[in-house]
Amino acid sequence: KAGVTQTPRYLIKTRGQQVTLSCSPISGHRSVSWYQQTPGQGLQFLFEYFSETQRNKGNFPGRFSGRQFSNSRSEMNVSTLELGDSALYLCASSLRSQGDSPLHFGNGTRLTVT
Amino acid sequence: QKEVEQNSGPLSVPEGAIASLNCTYSDRGSQSFFWYRQYSGKSPELIMSIYSNGDKEDGRFTAQLNKASQYVSLLIRDSQPSDSATYLCAVKHSGGSNYKLTFGKGTLLTVNP
Repeated sequence: KAGVTQTPRYLIKTRGQQVTLSCSPISGHRSVSWYQQTPGQGLQFLFEYFSETQRNKGNFPGRFSGRQFSNSRSEMNVSTLELGDSALYLCASSLRSQGDSPLHFGNGTRLTVT
Repeated sequence: QKEVEQNSGPLSVPEGAIASLNCTYSDRGSQSFFWYRQYSGKSPELIMSIYSNGDKEDGRFTAQLNKASQYVSLLIRDSQPSDSATYLCAVKHSGGSNYKLTFGKGTLLTVNP
């Protein structure tokens, strides 16, 4: 069974631009969660989507948004990029909601904002 | 703010020793607990999940949960250099529909040959 696929693997953007990241979950998984990982803050929860609905949201500004499609694929968008948005963005899928079944992580998208 | 605390380390143990990784959490109503391993430059992968008080063993790994003390630990027996990684504790908090899975910042484990 194919794992979680995230594209692109690397991105370099400049301040003020916007970016869209993509995540394809494991087949049959209905939950997709997004995390930001930085050396100082660790894994920070962004949001979770389940059956196309945002189920939960972390403490990030409204510049961070996401959506989930009917095939469970998910996208995350960051608008008006700031230098502090440079991080590894991880997507994870699970069979049921996060916390009710294990998360399976993708390889991440490394975003650098200059 | 519901928190998950881990000693950042680094924790250094000799090959063959027992490595003990600890995690405390603030939400007394937390229900599900997970340990993930993350190698440098890789994404986290699940090692263990535990839901009830006591010990759960899987090969060289044992997870221990004490809800009264709000404490969960991971023991790695016969540690190998390949166990060198950052270990992340994750806790599902309670709170009706506003649950979420919160990760600690991780403990870096180094196993020395």
